[in-house]
Amino acid sequence: NAGVTQTPKFQVLKTGQSMTLQCAQDMNHNSMYWYRQDPGMGLRLIYYSASEGTTDKGEVPNGYNVSRLNKREFSLRLESAAPSQTSVYFCASSEMYPNNSPLHFGNGTRLTVT
Amino acid sequence: KNEVEQSPQNLTAQEGEFITINCSYSVGISALHWLQQHPGGGIVSLFMLSSGKKKHGRLIATINIQEKHSSLHITASHPRDSAVYICAVPSQGGADGLTFGKGTHLIIQP
Repeated sequence: NAGVTQTPKFQVLKTGQSMTLQCAQDMNHNSMYWYRQDPGMGLRLIYYSASEGTTDKGEVPNGYNVSRLNKREFSLRLESAAPSQTSVYFCASSEMYPNNSPLHFGNGTRLTVT
Repeated sequence: KNEVEQSPQNLTAQEGEFITINCSYSVGISALHWLQQHPGGGIVSLFMLSSGKKKHGRLIATINIQEKHSSLHITASHPRDSAVYICAVPSQGGADGLTFGKGTHLIIQP
């Protein structure tokens, strides 16, 4: 099983450009998440989807949009990238929301906005 | 919001040593997660526990709900255990998302 697959692994954007980070899981999990990780800070939740058809804001949603395309896929879109969005992004999934099942993470996307 | 404190922030030890990493939180919780982040960046879930103790190989996680404290122990440490270990708890204590600690950076020297 591939688990959680996210693409791309690396991306460099100029300020104002847009991009979509893709995430797919093959574990039939109900819940999916997007986190960002910045130096000296813990992982912070951007958006989550507790179940197919629903999405909700997390701790740091500004500047991002998400789509739960189907049960497997959950994408994160930056409409107009800003240097403050330079970060490492992780997609994760779990069997159920909120927090009483283990999280499975993708390998991360290192995004640099210049 | 639950506040999570991990200690130490950094730990360097010799191969074979017994390692303890601590996690304290401020709001009572339903379950606590321990995660491992490899030097390459990947994150793996190690444990999820709500009471007592769990063991997996050389890793042991304990939690004291009354004291709002958890520990992760590594016995017979090995250089491949070098990683960042992260504790996470429910943000409001119950049915909500997670708040993550900043992590403990562990280096095991041969």
